[in-house]
Amino acid sequence: GESVGLHLPTLSVQEGDNSIINCAYSNSASDYFIWYKQESGKGPQFIIDIRSNMDKRQGQRVTVLLNKTVKHLSLQIAATQPGDSAVYFCAENMGQAGTALIFGKGTTLSVSS
Amino acid sequence: GAVVSQHPSRVICKSGTSVKIECRSLDFQATTMFWYRQFPKQSLMLMATSNEGSKATYEQGVEKDKFLINHASLTLSTLTVTSAHPEDSSFYICSARATSGGASRLETQYFGPGTRLLVL
Repeated sequence: GESVGLHLPTLSVQEGDNSIINCAYSNSASDYFIWYKQESGKGPQFIIDIRSNMDKRQGQRVTVLLNKTVKHLSLQIAATQPGDSAVYFCAENMGQAGTALIFGKGTTLSVSS
Repeated sequence: GAVVSQHPSRVICKSGTSVKIECRSLDFQATTMFWYRQFPKQSLMLMATSNEGSKATYEQGVEKDKFLINHASLTLSTLTVTSAHPEDSSFYICSARATSGGASRLETQYFGPGTRLLVL
C-alpha cells in the first residue's frame, strides 16, 4: 500500500493568493522528500526537496515544511499564478542508493484569474 | 541540466505487437533508472528499477516477461512492452537518478516527459 498521501484531491485558489498543499506520510524511516508538479500529458517536474534533518526549505516562490512529529509535509506557493495550475505530488524515499520514490495520490491545483 | 528524454512521445499499436520505449539522460550519467506507469487521474506507480549492467528489479505484480527492461549504457534504458493488449494502454514515465553533489547518499530523480501508449 501507499505510504504517502495527500489530504485534498483538489484545491482552487484565486490568482495572487498563497496556496498550501498538504501531504501525510506513514513511513517514519523515510528521510528524503520531494515535491513534483505535473502538467497534463507531461512528466513530473521537480519543484523542491527536503531532507529529514531539516524542517523548512525555501525556493523561488515555494516553501516546503516538514513536521516529522506528525509525519506531515506541505508545499506553500506564494502569489499563485495561472501557470501554477497542475497536479502536485509529494514523494518519499529512504534515501538509500537505488531506491525508488513512493508517490502520493496528488492534489490538483486550479488557479483562476 | 538534468534533462531526461523519452522516445516516442506517443505510440498507437495493434494488440499483440511489441513496443519499445527509450529513456535517455541527456546531460548526466545514470546508473539507475526507474520506470513508472500512470493511469488517468491516478498517481505514478513504480514498475521496475533498471540498473546499468545488471537485471532490472520488478515490483510485485509486474510481469518481467511482458515488460522487458534493458539498461544498456549509463545514459539509456529501454522498456519493451511485449504482446501488448488494450489494458496495457497507459502513460509510461521513466526517471533517472542524479547525484545532488557532495558525499550525500540522497539523490534527486528527474523525470522524462512520458510516453503515451494506446493499444487498439
